[in-house]
Amino acid sequence: RKEVEQDPGPFNVPEGATVAFNCTYSNSASQSFFWYRQDCRKEPKLLMSVYSSGNEDGRFTAQLNRASQYISLLIRDSKLSDSATYLCSEKVTFGTGTKLQVIP
Amino acid sequence: NAGVTQTPKFQVLKTGQSMTLQCAQDMNHEYMSWYRQDPGMGLRLIHYSVGAGITDQGEVPNGYNVSRSTTEDFPLRLLSAAPSQTSVYFCASSWELNTEAFFGQGTRLTVV
Repeated sequence: RKEVEQDPGPFNVPEGATVAFNCTYSNSASQSFFWYRQDCRKEPKLLMSVYSSGNEDGRFTAQLNRASQYISLLIRDSKLSDSATYLCSEKVTFGTGTKLQVIP
Repeated sequence: NAGVTQTPKFQVLKTGQSMTLQCAQDMNHEYMSWYRQDPGMGLRLIHYSVGAGITDQGEVPNGYNVSRSTTEDFPLRLLSAAPSQTSVYFCASSWELNTEAFFGQGTRLTVV
């Protein structure tokens, strides 16, 4: 089993929709989780850290479920500009990324 | 601040050639790493360093060497390029292992 796993998608959602991605991890002792955004042919950039109590940044909410060993990213009121690949990481190990396409 | 700077941005090599991908960061980060990104495979860790003089292997180290003589620089050497090394390479740095990573702009390498 890969250490960090994501559904590669693509997720095609209409503008204004709410979309959620999950990322499962195998190391139950893991402490540090992040979500990154990667635009086409660009480098990944930090979107948000994932705190154990959950955290929100505008339309984005990240949560950690230790019992089931997954982290999630919720995007509310999707914008066209949200179209990108979203990568989760546990320390230096990354998932394969989930591609999001927001359609008009 | 320039952040993490990678050079070159593009490179075409012939099979068997060697080359060095350069990576420099100006944030005084201790931790640096190299990844390759292939379609459907995500980012795979090649080598990493937790500080000057210390390097270790990641998930896919074969065919690559690294050194860390200074805090700022972490070059990746391809010893004898193979078509299987065609990929996009990213260098990253962070304060430590558990903190967010800052990535360079990537190097698109094609081996023919």
